[in-house]
Amino acid sequence: SQKIEQNSEALNIQEGKTATLTCNYTNYSPAYLQWYRQDPGRGPVFLLLIRENEKEKRKERLKVTFDTTLKQSLFHITASQPADSATYLCALPNQAGTALIFGKGTTLSVSS
Amino acid sequence: DAGVIQSPRHEVTEMGQEVTLRCKPISGHDYLFWYRQTMMRGLELLIYFNNNVPIDDSGMPEDRFSAKMPNASFSTLKIQPSEPRDSAVYFCASSLGGGPNYGYTFGSGTRLTVV
Repeated sequence: SQKIEQNSEALNIQEGKTATLTCNYTNYSPAYLQWYRQDPGRGPVFLLLIRENEKEKRKERLKVTFDTTLKQSLFHITASQPADSATYLCALPNQAGTALIFGKGTTLSVSS
Repeated sequence: DAGVIQSPRHEVTEMGQEVTLRCKPISGHDYLFWYRQTMMRGLELLIYFNNNVPIDDSGMPEDRFSAKMPNASFSTLKIQPSEPRDSAVYFCASSLGGGPNYGYTFGSGTRLTVV
């Protein structure tokens, strides 16, 4: 079955730096990949979707890459701010393509 | 739209009791999903519906779990009888279409504690 791996260790960076989070997957080739943000006590919030034929997608300070050869997506936040502190989840469609399967997420902490 | 609405926000119950979690999806969304989140296992898909019809319930852990969607604006997840290992945060999410064009909108979740 498909497996999604995100760095379980928290990422701590200083304000203004670029945060880079990694999502690796195995055992299948998804047609797309999504990234979500989750704050404590809240549900995940959809951020970005990238398709298999797109190498890169940008939205404001966010950038996502999708390397289908490496089976990896990178999620970048440029000019990070303390307000960016949260847990970030990547999600891929299940084998049937009908529902999302989520990674466990990486917690980002941005200090001022 | 008020978003996906879940109730209650918190539920504490004794082992063996019946628990019912409720969800109101976003109007017009045709897919509804129930997930469970724990520190150990992350977000797990339990069941999802398309146009009120259950499509895949393979993620439901045991027969003690059941879900219904009697109409487009309401769904329930029931656990009977509840056990301490059911303690988790249960999320409901809805989306417009099940394909890649749409992200999911999640509710704020129900934190269930079974003692």
